[in-house]
Amino acid sequence: QQQVKQSPQSLIVQKGGISIINCAYENTAFDYFPWYQQFPGKGPALLIAIRPDVSEKKEGRFTISFNKSAKQFSLHIMDSQPGDSATYFCAASKDSGGSYIPTFGRGTSLIVHP
Amino acid sequence: KAGVTQTPRYLIKTRGQQVTLSCSPISGHRSVSWYQQTPGQGLQFLFEYFSETQRNKGNFPGRFSGRQFSNSRSEMNVSTLELGDSALYLCASSRTGGGLEGYGYTFGSGTRLTVV
Repeated sequence: QQQVKQSPQSLIVQKGGISIINCAYENTAFDYFPWYQQFPGKGPALLIAIRPDVSEKKEGRFTISFNKSAKQFSLHIMDSQPGDSATYFCAASKDSGGSYIPTFGRGTSLIVHP
Repeated sequence: KAGVTQTPRYLIKTRGQQVTLSCSPISGHRSVSWYQQTPGQGLQFLFEYFSETQRNKGNFPGRFSGRQFSNSRSEMNVSTLELGDSALYLCASSRTGGGLEGYGYTFGSGTRLTVV
């Protein structure tokens, strides 16, 4: 059973456009939702994260929108740049003995055309 | 500041053999987690060690094991390799176990294991 569902699987946008990636979760015990960015040959890197007590968090061109009642959250990349081309993973986690182990979505491959 | 270092970067093993992968976390990080990444299953959690103790474990068979040393360095071992074990194995470290702002996980670049 996939605990975190991510869509779309792939996304192509033009430079300057808005990229939107959506995720949904099942377990209401999740209370920490990070997004990771992965470039080829590298490990995932933490991009931005949100807790369910806020509905939106913005860091530069990256914004997380969170809908607790719908158990959904999304990543918006404004003014998308070719350098943003990467695979993006949403994740959800909860306290497990002091650790917040991320449960990852399947990933979205983003291509930004110049 | 040095990142998470994983060695080796690439490895080719024969079915039935065993393999040991190494991870050196960021200095001061006491939590080390291991993930398996494949195109079919994505990123799957193997286990987490904190202060030399396994604190969390994923749903992998007993052929997958790990340990952590007093300097927080960690190793994972896979015995009796199967073709399906071919994957990118990622190690991630954090100060306490992630979750708090600024205390998230930092991943290494991984070890690409190919089983033939």
